[in-house]
Amino acid sequence: EDQVTQSPEALRLQEGESSSLNCSYTVSGLRGLFWYRQDPGKGPEFLFTLYSAGEEKEKERLKATLTKKESFLHITAPKPEDSATYLCAVQGNFNKFYFGSGTKLNVKP
Amino acid sequence: EPEVTQTPSHQVTQMGQEVILRCVPISNHLYFYWYRQILGQKVEFLVSFYNNEISEKSEIFDDQFSVERPDGSNFTLKIRSTKLEDSAMYFCASSDLTGGGSPLHFGNGTRLTVT
Repeated sequence: EDQVTQSPEALRLQEGESSSLNCSYTVSGLRGLFWYRQDPGKGPEFLFTLYSAGEEKEKERLKATLTKKESFLHITAPKPEDSATYLCAVQGNFNKFYFGSGTKLNVKP
Repeated sequence: EPEVTQTPSHQVTQMGQEVILRCVPISNHLYFYWYRQILGQKVEFLVSFYNNEISEKSEIFDDQFSVERPDGSNFTLKIRSTKLEDSAMYFCASSDLTGGGSPLHFGNGTRLTVT
C-alpha cells in the first residue's frame, strides 16, 4: 500500500538554527514527490517536485533532496516567517496523491 | 500567477442539509481534485475528475457525494445529506498533468461546519 510518513511531527527552532525534515515513502512507481507549505487556514502551497533519486531542488532557505526511500527538506538559517506546516506528498502509478501528516515548524526570533 | 479559487470560504449547515462547494480551477488545467482535511489530520483524497468524468474516488466518497463540471470553468462538490463527521476543510486542486508528475495547485479551501 502506498504510504507517506513524516517526521518529526513538530519542530521548534531558534532563528538561524538549521535543521531537516524527513519524508519516508513507499509507493508503486513513483511519478513525483512533492513538498508543500501550509499556513493555518490556508490551502497547501506548492514548493518543489522531485522525480528521481539524487535530485535536489532549492528555493531561498529551503533545499529538498530525494533518495529511493525518503526525502529531506533542509532549512538553512530559518526565519520566523518560515513557520508553517510542511507537507510531503507522493504520486504513484495512478493519479492519486498521498499526503503525509506534516511537520509543524515553529521558528522563534 | 493563476490560482485556484474556492467559494464560499466558510459554510455552516445543519445536519441532513445539502451543500454545494464551488471551485474555479486554473484555466489550462485538465485534472481536478477534491481533498478534505479534518482539523489536525492529514489531507485526504476524495475524488479526481478528468475529461468530464470521475477517474478515481476514495472510500470516503460515497453516494452522498457527487462532483460536476457544469460549465467550462466551475467544478463543484455536492454533499447531499450532511453529517456531523463531514465537518472539515475541503480543498479543490487542479493540475495540468503534462506527462505525469505535475504538482497539484490548491485553493484556500472551504471550511464546512455541520451542526
